Amino acid sequence: EAQVTQNPRYLITVTGKKLTVTCSQNMNHEYMSWYRQDPGLGLRQIYYSMNVEVTDKGDVPEGYKVSRKEKRNFPLILESPSPNQTSLYFCASSLWAPQTSNQPQHFGDGTRLSIL
Amino acid sequence: TQLLEQSPQFLSIQEGENLTVYCNSSSVFSSLQWYRQEPGEGPVLLVTVVTGGEVKKLKRLTFQFGDARKDSSLHITAAQPGDTGLYLCAGALATGTSYGKLTFGQGTILTVHP
Repeated sequence: EAQVTQNPRYLITVTGKKLTVTCSQNMNHEYMSWYRQDPGLGLRQIYYSMNVEVTDKGDVPEGYKVSRKEKRNFPLILESPSPNQTSLYFCASSLWAPQTSNQPQHFGDGTRLSIL
Repeated sequence: TQLLEQSPQFLSIQEGENLTVYCNSSSVFSSLQWYRQEPGEGPVLLVTVVTGGEVKKLKRLTFQFGDARKDSSLHITAAQPGDTGLYLCAGALATGTSYGKLTFGQGTILTVHP
């Protein structure tokens, strides 16, 4: 089954404790991205990757890191989490960048992070 | 300031009513997508519009892309309780420096009462 898998689905942790949210897709997609979803703000793009070893900042990259060593995986790293990073996070992938015609984003089911 | 302004943010209507959700920007988009999201799940694509002035229909849902590719609307005819959910528009900017970025509107929470 074609899917985007995020882990963990839920995490409660404390300020300053490094954490990684994994994202994996099995559709051989070139493009992957991370979003955070907060009430009243919709989804905001954190980072995106056009290809292996190519990553770029989205609209809210501060406090986050990503890597793209393999095509299928795109982990999101919070080196020193803070309470303002408490949010619902989504990973998504598509065959090519959204600007290329008709590129639906395939989303994971989300990761709810609570930073105390 | 949101690049894509979506309105209204909340919509509560009775079954059978019609409704329209708007997505507006001062920027030009190469394409605009509409998603629907259920609680506990990620957004799922409804439609992509690419050409200025384009109209697409999906059963009772009609999507329109503005002539200048700066705005879009979603119209639902005779809404049903099964239409309840969060509707999101998302635009891919046409400018070179933003290539790869995808911008979402704030979302519209639609509740259709039986």
